[in-house]
Amino acid sequence: QKEVEQDPGPLSVPEGAIVSLNCTYSNSAFQYFMWYRQYSRKGPELLMYTYSSGNKEDGRFTAQVDKSSKYISLFIRDSQPSDSATYLCAMSGSGYALNFGKGTSLLVTP
Amino acid sequence: DSGVTQTPKHLITATGQRVTLRCSPRSGDLSVYWYQQSLDQGLQFLIQYYNGEERAKGNILERFSAQQFPDLHSELNLSSLELGDSALYFCASSVVDGGYTFGSGTRLTVV
Repeated sequence: QKEVEQDPGPLSVPEGAIVSLNCTYSNSAFQYFMWYRQYSRKGPELLMYTYSSGNKEDGRFTAQVDKSSKYISLFIRDSQPSDSATYLCAMSGSGYALNFGKGTSLLVTP
Repeated sequence: DSGVTQTPKHLITATGQRVTLRCSPRSGDLSVYWYQQSLDQGLQFLIQYYNGEERAKGNILERFSAQQFPDLHSELNLSSLELGDSALYFCASSVVDGGYTFGSGTRLTVV
């Protein structure tokens, strides 16, 4: 079992929809949780960063972490065609390198 | 521009050859990480350096090696290249634990 599991999609939604992206993990030592966005042939770009459990909101993006369930989510409100990309969840324990999910491919259609 | 600079952007080389990928971290970042990204494996952690010292090793092959220099730039050396080494190689840097900043990557094609 991989430490981080993420549904690869693809996920196709109409413009304006609410998008929900999720990851599960198995390592209870993880305490830093991140979401990255990667456009084709580009480097991953940090979207959201959360320490331990809880919610964090930034504009149209909301990240949720439930450590008891080992489950993290990213919500995108009012999705736009420019949000079409691959979304990667990532997590780590203290002092360790990030473990990434394989990414979910999102397509927002006009 | 993320502030992390990787060169070259593209590299095409033959099997059995050796290449060097270069990374300059963001100003002030002491940690450098190398990742390999392939279609089937996703982003795989290779190695981390912190202020010139190796800090953590991931799924790095013995044919691969890295170092971080006093000016904090890092190089990833790939030798005896095989077709399966074709991938995107990313460098990332950070100040402390948590999110880090990626460069735009080097696309390596082994023919």
